[in-house]
Amino acid sequence: EAAVTQSPRNKVAVTGGKVTLSCNQTNNHNNMYWYRQDTGHGLRLIHYSYGAGSTEKGDIPDGYKASRPSQENFSLILELATPSQTSVYFCASGDRGALNERLFFGHGTKLSVL
Amino acid sequence: GDSVTQTEGQVTVSESKSLIINCTYSTTSIAYPNLFWYVRYPGEGLQLLLKVITAGQKGSSRGFEATYNKETTSFHLQKASVQESDSAVYYCALGENNYAQGLTFGLGTRVSVFP
Repeated sequence: EAAVTQSPRNKVAVTGGKVTLSCNQTNNHNNMYWYRQDTGHGLRLIHYSYGAGSTEKGDIPDGYKASRPSQENFSLILELATPSQTSVYFCASGDRGALNERLFFGHGTKLSVL
Repeated sequence: GDSVTQTEGQVTVSESKSLIINCTYSTTSIAYPNLFWYVRYPGEGLQLLLKVITAGQKGSSRGFEATYNKETTSFHLQKASVQESDSAVYYCALGENNYAQGLTFGLGTRVSVFP
């Protein structure tokens, strides 16, 4: 079964600090995604990637950067964290064009910015 | 833009009773969206429950069914007889054919099944 692993599972950060959320997939999928989930908003796409070296802006990219150094790893970076970025973040991977294409999600990272 | 609406935030139902979770969608950019139901069981990650890519067709999985209705732009999720193990949060979502640009999700519906 495909696996997407996020780290850390929980993170407390201070306002203005730098936060890096990591995601690793063992599915050999081309596409990877970062979503955040907030009450009243459901899952919203922050950044995504088509493969190593590529990052694309999603629907709510402001305040976030992304890095895809390899097929397996996709990081979400908050250079200057703010309390409004307190949320649960989900990473996902998927393979465009696959016959049984679907997204595989990690368990989520709960981030609190104080 | 695209949007998915789930009208119920929380549903409570007794075991062996029927369940329906409403989902309607709107899209201005995708002519033929793919429609999905994802589920998150307690302590687990979000996972695909079922997917339908063709209007008029029905998808099914684990006793759940959903029919892609293009006329009413709906994709309601139904189960005839729920079990306690169906307690979870259910998300309706839509995406393009290859959803390379990700999916648009509804807010989710938390289902609690009581014995």
